[in-house]
This record gives sequence, structure tokens and C-alpha cells, in this order.
Amino acid sequence: DTAVSQTPKYLVTQMGNDKSIKCEQNLGHDTMYWYKQDSKKFLKIMFSYNNKELIINETVPNRFSPKSPDKAHLNLHINSLELGDSAVYFCASSHRTANYGYTFGSGTRLTVV
Amino acid sequence: QKEVEQNSGPLSVPEGAIASLNCTYSDRGSQSFFWYRQYSGKSPELIMSIYSNGDKEDGRFTAQLNKASQYVSLLIRDSQPSDSATYLCAVNRGGAQKLVFGQGTRLTINP
Repeated sequence: DTAVSQTPKYLVTQMGNDKSIKCEQNLGHDTMYWYKQDSKKFLKIMFSYNNKELIINETVPNRFSPKSPDKAHLNLHINSLELGDSAVYFCASSHRTANYGYTFGSGTRLTVV
Repeated sequence: QKEVEQNSGPLSVPEGAIASLNCTYSDRGSQSFFWYRQYSGKSPELIMSIYSNGDKEDGRFTAQLNKASQYVSLLIRDSQPSDSATYLCAVNRGGAQKLVFGQGTRLTINP
């Protein structure tokens, strides 16, 4: 019974393509996040939604567009993929604030060729 | 100055010894502090949280917080090969809606 699930787990695609990653949580959390982890393991926040409302939008190219249809789901759509987008993307969820930490999804390894 | 800094390692410790991992942070308004463990190819897993100065123990793990020095540490007693992983320090400014992570310390426990 997975708490935070992401699909797909692996994504290999060509430059210029458009792709989506989906995330769902069954923890009853109010807030969901997208983080990008680079090859040096550094985790950097991209977006955060609280109950379907965008609350954090870090300096991310506008080719990245998040969408939250309800508080249990947060998707990430990426247009015109570039080589530099290759990374592991993690979805996470928390209670209303991040004060009690996050639960992470299993990650999506995106490789752009 | 990075918001959260860790020594990236690698840190190598013999089995059975104490592994000590350190983290400093720049924002004095930070109020909650976390240690995550990440095995290669897996997602980060929360292992300790600490909110007030002093020590917090959970099994073989002890988190230590010193807000005056802006310093958080994680001690792992009786280290096991299964403890080999990257350890990520994360900090939340009170009421802020995000965790800021350090770059992680790669720990290897040698049998």
C-alpha cells in the first residue's frame, strides 16, 4: 500500500519531446512537492502545492508546468526537453507545513538523449 | 554561503564504530531539522527529526542540535554495513513551506 507513488519510474526520451510524470499520495497530506536531484545528489525544490494551490514556484524554466487536480495528486509536465533536464525527479508530501518532514515517492529517473 | 552545508565525504567508518555526520545551516530562524537516509537508486527516507537544543536518541541513532552554533549532527552507534548510504540534512524555517537540503554525506561502513 504505497504512500506516495510516482509513475513512470524510468523515462528515456529524445531532446525536444514533451513528457509528464504523475504523483499520487494516500496519506491525507495537504501539501505536495516536486524536487529535482542532480547527479551530485543535491535535492532542489521546484514547486509546492497546498490543497491544489501553487505556493512555491522556484526559479524553474517555464517549460516545466505542474498541475494539481486535487490535493492527492500532483503532476509535472515538461515541454521541449533538454539534455540538462536529465535527473531524478522526486515527488513528496507533507502535512500543511513542512514542519514534520516529508514522505518521498520512489522517484522518476529522466534521461534525455 | 549555502543555506545548508554538509561535508560530501565519502566518510569511511569501520563496522562497530561510531559514525558522526555534521551539518550547518545559515538561517537563524530555522526551527525544525531532519536527517534522511538515501540508499543508491532509492528515495530519501526520514530517520530522525529534532526541534529543540540537545540530543534526541532513537535506537542506534542520536541527533544533536545546537541552535546557537547553527549546527546539527547525527551519530550512528555500532555502525553496520547496512548503514552505508548517503545521509541528507534538511532544515525548515518555522512556518516555511519547504525543506532545504544539504548536498548529502556519503557514508561507507567497512566490514
